[in-house]
Amino acid sequence: EVQLVESGGGLVQPGRSLKLSCAASGFTFSNYYMAWVRQAPTKGLEWVASITNSGGSTYYRDSVKGRFTISRDNAKSTLYLQMDSLRSEDTATYYCTRRRSSYIDYWGQGVMVTVSS
Amino acid sequence: DTVLTQSPALAVSPGERVTISCRASESVSTLMHWYQQKPGQQPKLLIYKASNLASGVPARFSGSGSGTDFTFTIDPVEADDIATYYCHQSWNSWTFGGGTKLELK
Repeated sequence: EVQLVESGGGLVQPGRSLKLSCAASGFTFSNYYMAWVRQAPTKGLEWVASITNSGGSTYYRDSVKGRFTISRDNAKSTLYLQMDSLRSEDTATYYCTRRRSSYIDYWGQGVMVTVSS
Repeated sequence: DTVLTQSPALAVSPGERVTISCRASESVSTLMHWYQQKPGQQPKLLIYKASNLASGVPARFSGSGSGTDFTFTIDPVEADDIATYYCHQSWNSWTFGGGTKLELK
């Protein structure tokens, strides 16, 4: 059974940093592209960042470029999102997702990040 | 960015047929996918590449379309289908529609 379990969320002040982790199991992690998708409270879904299966290429939405870094450790089957210079508009539930071909076939349960003073 | 427009809400009764539309601001070929999200839960894949039913998803769900106009249908609707449905395009980066909240009449 595919499982994606996020951790590392919480309350953080504007301008500070936070690192999210996603532990993957039930599949060969190194075979899949992965991505982070977020959802602000009562809002819709928004793609944040993607990474190729090897980790050699990464992609970001414009609003997080230069502030967020997606990475992975295939030996540990873990995906990461390092979030620096956090802003109030980054407040959201962050979902770890598995990309199959051109779509998302599995989502984690999500982890809440609140940016507030 | 490719903008996806969905109607915000629809009211339905169990047993009815419901169709949700998603219009893209530019062609996305058939790279349109549909997800269901129930309150407090993560989204779940229902339809991929416009018309393909995801594994384990009941045949009551279906999708169609290409280019800029897509539809997602539930026939017949069951009470458990009350949720928000999102379209997602992956032709030009990734963007999502604003979601259509299905409510009971």
